[in-house]
Amino acid sequence: EDQVTQSPEALRLQEGESSSLNCSYTVSGLRGLFWYRQDPGKGPEFLFTLYSAGEEKEKERLKATLTKKESFLHITAPKPEDSATYLCAVQAGGNEKLTFGTGTRLTIIP
Amino acid sequence: GAVVSQHPSRVICKSGTSVKIECRSLDFQATTMFWYRQFPKKSLMLMATSNEGSKATYEQGVEKDKFLINHASLTLSTLTVTSAHPEDSSFYICSASRTPKETQYFGPGTRLLVL
Repeated sequence: EDQVTQSPEALRLQEGESSSLNCSYTVSGLRGLFWYRQDPGKGPEFLFTLYSAGEEKEKERLKATLTKKESFLHITAPKPEDSATYLCAVQAGGNEKLTFGTGTRLTIIP
Repeated sequence: GAVVSQHPSRVICKSGTSVKIECRSLDFQATTMFWYRQFPKKSLMLMATSNEGSKATYEQGVEKDKFLINHASLTLSTLTVTSAHPEDSSFYICSASRTPKETQYFGPGTRLLVL
């Protein structure tokens, strides 16, 4: 069974304090790893898709990386508007379904 | 691109009534749409997968007679909660993808409250 574990569960940072969120996965035949951002009371917003180990993608203050066992979402010099829950999900094998982690709730303090 | 809408955003209904939620892909054609349920401070729980023109595939433990899903076109899927009860109160979110194995784009969600 595919498993996705995100850590930490919650993270509080001062504005400008860079950090990383972790997503560890155990799957049979990874086809894609997805990062989403979810604000309270809203649906997840797509951020990145990573397909193979060594791949990196960037968008503004966010950078996602992928290894064979985990993915990191690096946030550089975050701002209060980056506060949200960040969800990681994997798609594996012949399955079209996503398996989600439980998310990291990120709070950026001004 | 890749915008998904849901309607309504919030609905309050009486116990025993049925509620229909619409999910539309606005700027792309979605072969596959997914319906999720999310409890407070929890991650998304997949309820069912629907492919255009086919019957939906439900996850284990999801009652197909209670949660009716229709995917009649490449831009519209509907979820009908039949004979709703207070325990059906939740946040329902749909997602859509161009093909079954491509990136899923999510709608804004529908908050259902059953009194």
